Amino acid sequence: DGGITQSPKYLFRKEGQNVTLSCEQNLNHDAMYWYRQDPGQGLRLIYYSQIVNDFQKGDIAEGYSVSREKKESFPLTVTSAQKNPTAFYLCASRGRNRNSGNTIYFGEGSWLTVV
Amino acid sequence: AQSVAQPEDQVNVAEGNPLTVKCTYSVSGNPYLFWYVQYPNRGLQFLLKYITGDNLVKGSYGFEAEFNKSQTSFHLKKPSALVSDSALYFCAVRDMEDSNYQLIWGAGTKLIIKP
Repeated sequence: DGGITQSPKYLFRKEGQNVTLSCEQNLNHDAMYWYRQDPGQGLRLIYYSQIVNDFQKGDIAEGYSVSREKKESFPLTVTSAQKNPTAFYLCASRGRNRNSGNTIYFGEGSWLTVV
Repeated sequence: AQSVAQPEDQVNVAEGNPLTVKCTYSVSGNPYLFWYVQYPNRGLQFLLKYITGDNLVKGSYGFEAEFNKSQTSFHLKKPSALVSDSALYFCAVRDMEDSNYQLIWGAGTKLIIKP
C-alpha cells in the first residue's frame, strides 16, 4: 500500500531525554512536513523539506531537529530543549503535480507524552 | 497577510439534516483551498479541494464545498448528515503563486451529529 507511516504511535519521554519520531513515505513525494497538534487545537508547522538534503524551519522549530538524507524518510527529533513536548505529531508529504493542486497527505500521527 | 478563519469552534446538527461548516480566507493572489477531516487520534484525511474551474467541488463521503470569490469563502456542506460525520474539520488555503507551497490552516471546527 502507498502511504505515510509514522512510528511509534505512542511514545513516552523522560525529562531531559531526546526522542526521535519516524516518518516514512512510499509515495515518491518530494516534500515532507512535520506538524504539532495540541489537544483541541489546530496544526502548527515545525519543519518542512522540499527536497532531499534540504529543510526549513516552520513556525515552532525551537527544540526540534530534523534530517532529510533520503527522499522517503524525514525523522523528527524532539530534544530536551523543547520544554513542553507533550502533543500529537503529524507527518505529511506532498507530490509535485502542479495540476493536482499539490495536495498534502498525512500519516496517522504519533502521541508523545513527557513522564 | 494570509489567513484562514473557521468562525465556529463547534457545529451541532441532527442526523439527516443538512450541515455547513464555514471557512473564509485571505490571500494576496488566487487561492488553492482544501478541506480535511480528522477523527480522534488519527491523522488528517483529505476531503476535497478547489484549484480552478467549477465553483462547486464534490469530494469524499458525500461532502461538497462552494468557492465564492466575492465573499472569500469556501464552506463545506453535506445534504444529509450522518452520525459518522462527527469529527474535526480543517480548512486550509495556499496562495497559488507561493513558491514555498505553504498551507495556512484554520483552527478547526468540531462537528457533532446527534442521532
